[in-house]
Amino acid sequence: QVQLVQSGSELKKPGASVKVSCKASGYTFTSYAMNWVRQAPGQGLEWMGWINTNTGNPTYAQGFTGRFVFSLDTSVSTAYLQISSLKAEDTAVYYCAFLVGELPWGQGTLVTVSS
Amino acid sequence: NFMLTQPHSVSESPGKTVTISCTGSSGSIASNYVQWYQQRPGSAPTTVIYEDNQRPSGVPDRFSGSIDSSSNSASLTISGLKTEDEADYYCQSYDSSNHVFGTGTKVTVL
Repeated sequence: QVQLVQSGSELKKPGASVKVSCKASGYTFTSYAMNWVRQAPGQGLEWMGWINTNTGNPTYAQGFTGRFVFSLDTSVSTAYLQISSLKAEDTAVYYCAFLVGELPWGQGTLVTVSS
Repeated sequence: NFMLTQPHSVSESPGKTVTISCTGSSGSIASNYVQWYQQRPGSAPTTVIYEDNQRPSGVPDRFSGSIDSSSNSASLTISGLKTEDEADYYCQSYDSSNHVFGTGTKVTVL
């Protein structure tokens, strides 16, 4: 079955970088785009953007340009989200998701930014 | 910017019916598909309705989705409420190829 498995929780200091992975299985990786969604503590879902898994071309939502980078390694069917120059307000759960049909979401990765 | 507005919370007794609205700020909500996600505390969202009114396998038929063009709204109806339906629910649609999530609704089963 289609599955997205994300990397584990991260604790980082302000100014550091983090890279979250999302490994896909159960389908042809290039069949669907991959989206990234942020959920700050106690808040709603916020779409960060998506990456075309055929071309590797990313599209970033407003507010997620500059420090956020989407990338792929198609050889291992994995999408990545890298955040640089981390700030306390980046503390959130980050999800990868298809946002189409009945396809599943990743389980989420908690990134905590604290000194 | 296009926004989807939901009521902050709804509550009802077991066995009753609740309807959650999702109102688009502009344009026609009927122009793009609407999805609905359920998120229980501490868990990732799961799809309960996709493409306006389609139910994924495994989602009970107590869940249904609809579109009302006259009010530029989508709705999620949960009938025969069960305690397990207590969760946050989010609608999601599109605007100029960007995904947009609704503000979210907390459903409490009294």
